[in-house]
Amino acid sequence: SQQGEEDPQALSIQEGENATMNCSYKTSINNLQWYRQNSGRGLVHLILIRSNEREKHSGRLRVTLDTSKKSSSLLITASRAADTASYFCGIKVGGSEKLVFGKGTKLTVNP
Amino acid sequence: SAVISQKPSRDICQRGTSLTIQCQVDSQVTMMFWYRQQPGQSLTLIATANQGSEATYESGFVIDKFPISRPNLTFSTLTVSNMSPEDSSIYLCSGLTGTYEQYFGPGTRLTVT
Repeated sequence: SQQGEEDPQALSIQEGENATMNCSYKTSINNLQWYRQNSGRGLVHLILIRSNEREKHSGRLRVTLDTSKKSSSLLITASRAADTASYFCGIKVGGSEKLVFGKGTKLTVNP
Repeated sequence: SAVISQKPSRDICQRGTSLTIQCQVDSQVTMMFWYRQQPGQSLTLIATANQGSEATYESGFVIDKFPISRPNLTFSTLTVSNMSPEDSSIYLCSGLTGTYEQYFGPGTRLTVT
């Protein structure tokens, strides 16, 4: 399967702590995109990281990409209760415009 | 970025009927896609909506069940035909921008009774 696989499947932390989620994949990629989904709603685009990039930041979010290990991580610093959501990585495989998704990480931030 | 709207946002339909979902993008996108997300599951690509021609379907999805139109660059429809309870899902429209970011609409939550 070309799916991205997020790890852990579920994560529960206290407000103010950092949350780290990982995404692994099996084939070469063009880019990888992280999304947030609140309770069965649409996906909110967070960050796109290209295969030739190693790290990107956006506000409290930091994404890293290690193509040698075929993995990416999403770090949310100083988490808030409003960060409670499911987080997905979308993998864009080389030669295709399609994004394929893993099962996501369900993050719960307790106030 | 792109802002994508869908309607309806949700619907409850009877078995055997059909529902058409509309997707509108606020700017030109290079490609549009339709995804399905079954309860508690990940997203599965149904098809790529091609402007002015037949959609490209993924394995397991067929045109008779999920007819798709894309008459112009910023509008597409997905019809879920002859529905059964197994079609109860969230259906999501997505658009790919020229900078390769892919954005999603708010989804249509479909319940088939």
